[in-house]
Amino acid sequence: ETGVTQSPTHLIKTRGQQVTLRCSSQSGHNTVSWYQQALGQGPQFIFQYYREEENGRGNFPPRFSGLQFPNYSSELNVNALELDDSALYLCASSLARTDTDEQYFGPGTRLTVT
Amino acid sequence: AQSVSQHNHHVILSEAASLELGCNYSYGGTVNLFWYVQYPGQHLQLLLKYFSGDPLVKGIKGFEAEFIKSKFSFNLRKPSVQWSDTAEYFCAAYNNAGNMLTFGGGTRLMVKP
Repeated sequence: ETGVTQSPTHLIKTRGQQVTLRCSSQSGHNTVSWYQQALGQGPQFIFQYYREEENGRGNFPPRFSGLQFPNYSSELNVNALELDDSALYLCASSLARTDTDEQYFGPGTRLTVT
Repeated sequence: AQSVSQHNHHVILSEAASLELGCNYSYGGTVNLFWYVQYPGQHLQLLLKYFSGDPLVKGIKGFEAEFIKSKFSFNLRKPSVQWSDTAEYFCAAYNNAGNMLTFGGGTRLMVKP
């Protein structure tokens, strides 16, 4: 257990719909990162938030957006879902800078788009 | 763009065998390197990390990794594996330019008792 929780555990959506995934970081962790892990692949960095501002972004389109709240929770929003968005979505929190600080991962949300 | 490659997708070993998992990264600047492990049914967790200094780093559960700058490699080793080491192992590299952690594709290790 890392203290990082995610909800829901599983989700099924239809192509074109919108989805919101939630993450609760460890208390005191100012940085949260979101990753997409397709089946059989390593996690791919979507974006990072530090003190409620986006602090880095991977190669994902703007329909992937996020929010970070003062209470150490965060959201990943995906609009106009596509079949290829089916994946495990992971959030990870760290105390401050993620280059030196260990990231603590949650269990993930499995999203299926049909 | 930075990338991380892991050479072996699946590795099967018997208990007490030695382990070496390959990892190469492609970034010419300063990188911080990590190995993460995911045991069946558990979260991703950190095994070890390298930032600077001694290129041979030791992690939890008897694992170690060697950073070889000239080869852009950061291979994971363990002298004698146990059945409980069965897991998926991910190499990752972080660069400050993008504030992003790039993962390799993972190596699934199965240790036969």
